Amino acid sequence: DTAVSQTPKYLVTQMGNDKSIKCEQNLGHDTMYWYKQDSKKFLKIMFSYNNKELIINETVPNRFSPKSPDKAHLNLHINSLELGDSAVYFCASSQAARGYTFGSGTRLTVV
Amino acid sequence: AQKITQTQPGMFVQEKEAVTLDCTYDTSDPSYGLFWYKQPSSGEMIFLIYQGSYDQQNATEGRYSLNFQKARKSANLVISASQLGDSAMYFCAMSYQGGSEKLVFGKGMKLTVNP
Repeated sequence: DTAVSQTPKYLVTQMGNDKSIKCEQNLGHDTMYWYKQDSKKFLKIMFSYNNKELIINETVPNRFSPKSPDKAHLNLHINSLELGDSAVYFCASSQAARGYTFGSGTRLTVV
Repeated sequence: AQKITQTQPGMFVQEKEAVTLDCTYDTSDPSYGLFWYKQPSSGEMIFLIYQGSYDQQNATEGRYSLNFQKARKSANLVISASQLGDSAMYFCAMSYQGGSEKLVFGKGMKLTVNP
């Protein structure tokens, strides 16, 4: 049983397309996150949701829109994809800081 | 603002030796958490160890221990008896426990364990 699962694992798409990445956690955590890891391996938070409510939006272009239908799911929709969006996107969840768990990542390649 | 610094871009260690990975942090918040994650070449982020700012004792998890020196704002990871499978990227991170619990990451460092 995967604690934080995200799909797809790989995503190759053309510039200008719209794509979504899905994330689900079965840990009962209240808070979910999206992180981006760039080509230099640097990880940075994009969004955080607590019980379906957006609490962090870290200066991410508005082409990125997170959606949380319930506290177990946090999806990331990206409009008008650009070359610079190529990265690995990680979903994570936590209940308290100690229990931070990451998904296995989605490698997005925009061509 | 919170900041994590990992100055070692890469390290090499012989199998079965101990290795220390450096991490310093900066925050003005009294309550915070410190994490280490391992990222092997397969890409997943694997949680290794956690230290809360108010924890009195240094955290240990199997072969991993965290050398927490609060006054020096350092949180070095010690891996005892390195194994070939320890070869990976290692990230130090800090959480702000004031509410959002977002993690701020260091740049990471690559550890290579040689046979």
